[in-house]
Amino acid sequence: AQSVSQHNHHVILSEAASLELGCNYSYGGTVNLFWYVQYPGQHLQLLLKYFSGDPLVKGIKGFEAEFIKSKFSFNLRKPSVQWSDTAEYFCAVNARGNNDMRFGAGTRLTVKP
Amino acid sequence: EAQVTQNPRYLITVTGKKLTVTCSQNMNHEYMSWYRQDPGLGLRQIYYSMNVEVTDKGDVPEGYKVSRKEKRNFPLILESPSPNQTSLYFCASSPWGLQDRYNEQFFGPGTRLTVL
Repeated sequence: AQSVSQHNHHVILSEAASLELGCNYSYGGTVNLFWYVQYPGQHLQLLLKYFSGDPLVKGIKGFEAEFIKSKFSFNLRKPSVQWSDTAEYFCAVNARGNNDMRFGAGTRLTVKP
Repeated sequence: EAQVTQNPRYLITVTGKKLTVTCSQNMNHEYMSWYRQDPGLGLRQIYYSMNVEVTDKGDVPEGYKVSRKEKRNFPLILESPSPNQTSLYFCASSPWGLQDRYNEQFFGPGTRLTVL
């Protein structure tokens, strides 16, 4: 079965700093990859997803992620964070052909104004 | 308004007292799922359903039951709750199964359950 690792538990940045959150998965087959965000007091919402094609995917609010197959990674990036990006971020993987979903433990991002 | 609703939002109960958390969606979605969220563990899938009368186990199904008698509802049943089921529970739905690249899961607001 697939599993997901998020290396950073809590990241603290100042506004305008660049962000990169790590995500690695373990699964031998083809996967679909996702990043979700949970703002304080709100529902989880989808930031972006990768199914196939261009390994660099762009999502909402200026986020992007790059799928590197050889490294089993799907890191999330944003060139310049804002205070409003303070949230918890979850990487998730779904094995192609299955309908179950595995999430990472999450990374809490705090952006200082 | 298109949404996923869960009830109750907060629940404190005692060990062994059967409970049901309801989940309902008004988007005619085929796929529904339950997750639990615990600190340091992220979200873990409990059960999912591809359609009426079709349910499958997720990562952590032990101690839980589900049913899908109608397309819009997907209740989570804890027949004999224990303290280790204290958690934040999320229901989600999506138009189709997770293999569709145009698909997206919509999450409910969460149910915070405490089992004493």
